[in-house]
Formats: sequence, structure tokens, C-alpha cells
Amino acid sequence: DAGVTQSPTHLIKTRGQQVTLRCSPKSGHDTVSWYQQALGQGPQFIFQYYEEEERQRGNFPDRFSGHQFPNYSSELNVNALLLGDSALYLCASSPLGQGANEQYFGPGTRLTVT
Amino acid sequence: LAKTTQPISMDSYEGQEVNITCSHNNIATNDYITWYQQFPSQGPRFIIQGYKTKVTNEVASLFIPADRKSSTLSLPRVSLSDTAVYYCLVGDPRLSGGYNKLIFGAGTRLAVHP
Repeated sequence: DAGVTQSPTHLIKTRGQQVTLRCSPKSGHDTVSWYQQALGQGPQFIFQYYEEEERQRGNFPDRFSGHQFPNYSSELNVNALLLGDSALYLCASSPLGQGANEQYFGPGTRLTVT
Repeated sequence: LAKTTQPISMDSYEGQEVNITCSHNNIATNDYITWYQQFPSQGPRFIIQGYKTKVTNEVASLFIPADRKSSTLSLPRVSLSDTAVYYCLVGDPRLSGGYNKLIFGAGTRLAVHP
């Protein structure tokens, strides 16, 4: 049973560019959340998707947007990249309403903005 | 959401028992306490969750006193591979119909020495 997978593993972008990160949830999970983790800090919640809709959003600007597909996979898009967007981006999945505090995280995508 | 406070770092030696305490004075009646473990360049991993008294699984034990204003994660006989960041989170898994975002603090950096 494959766990949460993310692609790419690493990415280097230039300020002002746009980036798309991808996530496939654990088998049987229908809810996907995205987190940003800066170096030395805990993960910060970006948003959560269920039934192809954004259900909750953290304190992130509109430059951060997402999408969920019918197969439950998800994308995170970041426009107009800033140096401060450099971080590890984590995707987490869970089955809706079942011990939602237990989320399964992927290995993350390390984004570097130069 | 209840705020949590935990030590920034701890040191231990192989074979010892490690106890990490988390304070959550404003915990709500429906809140559960959850601990995650994170290794470098990996996503957090769920360790244990509890509501009151004591919970034990194959990895750790979680002790929660009657007033629930704090909790202690206990790792028996740690090894070098237990070196990681440990996060204490408090929240209601049933919040907002099951949609639940995880609020991470800075966590406790545990270093296990030979």
C-alpha cells in the first residue's frame, strides 16, 4: 500500500516564477492538506481539499492556490514566487472525519527560490 | 485552538527513557492531544493520540493528568534512531465536520547520544 507521494523531490525556481507541486494521497484517503515548513520551524497549514473543493485555509496569500482531482490527488500552485517561499512543502492525507488529527504526510518537496 | 508549550530541545543517551512534557492550559473539553515525530527531510509521522489518563502503543506512552492541562510523551529505551523533532498538538478531530487542520508549534528537538 503506497503512502502519500509527492513530486518533485526538489525544485529550484527564480523570483517571480510560478511553481506547481503534486501530491497523491494514501490509498483510501479522500482529504488532502498542504503545509509549508520553513527551516527550523514547524509545518504551517496552507489549505485543505475535500471533494475537489477548498474546505479550510490558513493565513497564506492568494498567490497560493490549489486543486483536487476526482482521483483525490492534489496540486499546490504558487505564483509570483518570493525568496521567503523557500521551504519544504508537505502534503498530508486523511480519511474524512475519522481521527482527523491523524494525518499521513508525504516526504515533501523542497522548494528553493533564488 | 489551544496553544501548546514544550521544551525547545532535550538530550538523552541510548537506552534511557525520555519524557517530553507539553503544556496546554487552555485545552477545550472536546480537544484531543496528539504527538507527531519528524526526522530531517521527512514529513511528520503520527505517534500517539489520547484524551485522558494513559495511552500506550508499540512506540510510546502518553500520560494525561486529570486536569488535562499538560501531557507527557514517554519514549522507553531510546536509540539513536529516535533523534528527531517531536510535536505536541491539541485539537478536536471532529471540528468543522471532520475537516481539521493541524497546528504545529516549534516542537522539541530530541538528540540521543551513544
